Amino acid sequence: KQEVTQIPAALSVPEGENLVLNCSFTDSAIYNLQWFRQDPGKGLTSLLLIQSSQREQTSGRLNASLDKSSGRSTLYIAASQPGDSATYLCAVSSLNDYKLSFGAGTTVTVRA
Amino acid sequence: EADIYQTPRYLVIGTGKKITLECSQTMGHDKMYWYQQDPGMELHLIHYSYGVNSTEKGDLSSESTVSRIRTEHFPLTLESARPSHTSQYLCASSGTGFINEQFFGPGTRLTVL
Repeated sequence: KQEVTQIPAALSVPEGENLVLNCSFTDSAIYNLQWFRQDPGKGLTSLLLIQSSQREQTSGRLNASLDKSSGRSTLYIAASQPGDSATYLCAVSSLNDYKLSFGAGTTVTVRA
Repeated sequence: EADIYQTPRYLVIGTGKKITLECSQTMGHDKMYWYQQDPGMELHLIHYSYGVNSTEKGDLSSESTVSRIRTEHFPLTLESARPSHTSQYLCASSGTGFINEQFFGPGTRLTVL
């Protein structure tokens, strides 16, 4: 059974600092990995998707890397802003059935 | 912008009532999913469907049932709601093809008194 772990569980930084969020998974036989953002009481917004054959994906201030062999992904958010405050979830898709396994998330607070 | 809708957004109901949570998507996606999320906790898959007339139970046992009669519609039903069913329910969908990116609806927050 795929286990997904996100460290740290919570993070508080001053505005302008770069954010580094870590995700690890136990089974490297994945189809893809997605990073999501969740605001309190809301649904999930897809931020980045990395296919298993890719090493990284970028969108604006966001960059996500994937090291499938070591079971790790990192989400970098450059020059953080108060609007980046949210919970960030990592999820990996199984190679066999496309189902997503989620981590518990990292709750980010960016202080103005 | 993903076009996936859930109604109601909030529901407060008494024990023993039958409820149906609606989920619809306009993207023509073949795969649809229901997740349950307690406050501050992980998402857990409770049901999924890979097409019309196809439904499967997810990793977390649930007393709810689902149906998939139309591609765009994936309702979830609780025959007799209990306080233990209080949670947030999130619907998602993903399409055919190589990418298989999942898109989520806004969620339904259910409270059973």
